[in-house]
Amino acid sequence: DTEVTQTPKHLVMGMTNKKSLKCEQHMGHRAMYWYKQKAKKPPELMFVYSYEKLSINESVPSRFSPECPNSSLLNLHLHALQPEDSALYLCASSQTATNEKLFFGSGTQLSVL
Amino acid sequence: EDQVTQSPEALRLQEGESSSLNCSYTVSGLRGLFWYRQDPGKGPEFLFTLYSAGEEKEKERLKATLTKKESFLHITAPKPEDSATYLCASRGDQGGKLIFGQGTELSVKP
Repeated sequence: DTEVTQTPKHLVMGMTNKKSLKCEQHMGHRAMYWYKQKAKKPPELMFVYSYEKLSINESVPSRFSPECPNSSLLNLHLHALQPEDSALYLCASSQTATNEKLFFGSGTQLSVL
Repeated sequence: EDQVTQSPEALRLQEGESSSLNCSYTVSGLRGLFWYRQDPGKGPEFLFTLYSAGEEKEKERLKATLTKKESFLHITAPKPEDSATYLCASRGDQGGKLIFGQGTELSVKP
């Protein structure tokens, strides 16, 4: 199994809603990532978890709250988002957080109204 | 500061017309140069990792090469299904963060 599974595939939410994005991998990888991607732009790193601990937070606003319940799961909790937060949110995993390749999920297309 | 620059931004080819995509990088202590393919609305799909100058890797119509300053993705006799955005990324020894280029949007017409 070489897949990173993300749910939901699409999400529309209002600025007062609370929602969560979910990511799962069963490759035994110990590093997991959240990226944000705007149209025709490269992915931008948001958070890195290494061995279930948050190791990198790229100065992301607190309305985005990551959680790593165990080594296979990664969540991104969303609250009071702004329309400019609309983007494709990508989860990725790698063996460790050093020089291995990343495996990406298909992403969640988020629209904030 | 680590940096990755890709050119051209967009490339339109006829089916069978071979070409190359360029990725220039400046990184402290290269720990890997990565090529990904991304289709619209999907996550990037891993293609190649290169670690040292002179290294080459091939997969079907794609061949990736690496020098001390650049990487090239050569596409031989492309087909319409090769149409996608190709992303280059580097990882150095300063924090290990993956640095992406802006991508090259490839369109192959039949």
